Amino acid sequence: DQQVKQNSPSLSVQEGRISILNCDYTNSMFDYFLWYKKYPAEGPTFLISISSIKDKNEDGRFTVFLNKSAKHLSLHIVPSQPGDSAVYFCAASEAGKLIFGQGTTLQVKP
Amino acid sequence: ETGVTQTPRHLVMGMTNKKSLKCEQHLGHNAMYWYKQSAKKPLELMFVYSLEERVENNSVPSRFSPECPNSSHLFLHLHTLQPEDSALYLCASSQEVLGNYGYTFGSGTRLTVV
Repeated sequence: DQQVKQNSPSLSVQEGRISILNCDYTNSMFDYFLWYKKYPAEGPTFLISISSIKDKNEDGRFTVFLNKSAKHLSLHIVPSQPGDSAVYFCAASEAGKLIFGQGTTLQVKP
Repeated sequence: ETGVTQTPRHLVMGMTNKKSLKCEQHLGHNAMYWYKQSAKKPLELMFVYSLEERVENNSVPSRFSPECPNSSHLFLHLHTLQPEDSALYLCASSQEVLGNYGYTFGSGTRLTVV
């Protein structure tokens, strides 16, 4: 049973617009959530995280929102840039053990 | 070198072969991990090592055998693999075992079993 789900395998956005990547989870014991970005032929790189006691964390163009009642988090990228094109993985942590989603491929068109 | 380095980047092996994947981290981290990424699937945690001691083994078949000789090096020994074991194998490290500081990943080894 998959505890972390990214239901959209791909997303295409025009440069300058907002990209919204979504993630749902089932385990209410998750205490930390992270987003990773992965380019082809490279390993995932840490992007941004949020503790379960918060509902928003912002870092430059990237903002992560957490809705605990809905067990849903999202990553907003604004404005989107062509260099943001990559696979984005959502991950959730229970006592530090990371569970990953399947990933969403984001394509930002110039 | 800095970060997490994995070798080889690509590996093709037959089902009767024995090979090893190598991971090296230069970050002074205390924990290292092996993950498997199959197509269209989430990253799956395989093994966790903390200060060279294995702390978790996620029901991985015995044809995968990890080794952690010191806190900077991690190996994954492979023998009699199956074609369904073809995947991207990622090594990661973190400051402390299973902590909330995020992991640093290597670029992975793309394994193809023929």
